[in-house]
Amino acid sequence: EPEVTQTPSHQVTQMGQEVILRCVPISNHLYFYWYRQILGQKVEFLVSFYNNEISEKSEIFDDQFSVERPDGSNFTLKIRSTKLEDSAMYFCASSYRTGENEQFFGPGTRLTVL
Amino acid sequence: RKEVEQDPGPFNVPEGATVAFNCTYSNSASQSFFWYRQDCRKEPKLLMSVYSSGNEDGRFTAQLNRASQYISLLIRDSKLSDSATYLCVVRDQKVTFGTGTKLQVIP
Repeated sequence: EPEVTQTPSHQVTQMGQEVILRCVPISNHLYFYWYRQILGQKVEFLVSFYNNEISEKSEIFDDQFSVERPDGSNFTLKIRSTKLEDSAMYFCASSYRTGENEQFFGPGTRLTVL
Repeated sequence: RKEVEQDPGPFNVPEGATVAFNCTYSNSASQSFFWYRQDCRKEPKLLMSVYSSGNEDGRFTAQLNRASQYISLLIRDSKLSDSATYLCVVRDQKVTFGTGTKLQVIP
């Protein structure tokens, strides 16, 4: 069964460092998403991406964040200068269509900022 | 009013019980509604979409009440494996998750 994969599973970084979280969406999916979940809190939407551009983003997704689809398979989230409050689980998701279509989530990358 | 609101629980129910969760949403223009399930420290997984006419999948029944702006999830004949956090998800211009309702099914 096709699945979304994410690497690394756990990333530890120092405050102020840049991190890149990687995702490989399901191959025939067209819409890609990043979410984050701070420990003990709800899942929060960050950004959606379609046709090589951002289609929606939340207030959380400020200038410190960027997304890219550098090739036909990877979808990355970059945080330029990490802050302590960026520590969270980051989930990538993909869907074939938008709207009612199911989003398939990857297993997540746990980011710890020290 | 929060965008998407759920009772966090926990709901502790015996095996075989019927349990219901509600979720309210604030934006009347919301278009799509879902229930996801999340196990501890795992990714959310779609349980079911919620349609205007209501829908059923085995032991699970979802209902949408647009007038009162809430959705519900009913689980019949609870199993131990149903223990998880159930996330209400609402889509308008963006996707908004509720905080989740924790269910613990007890032997």
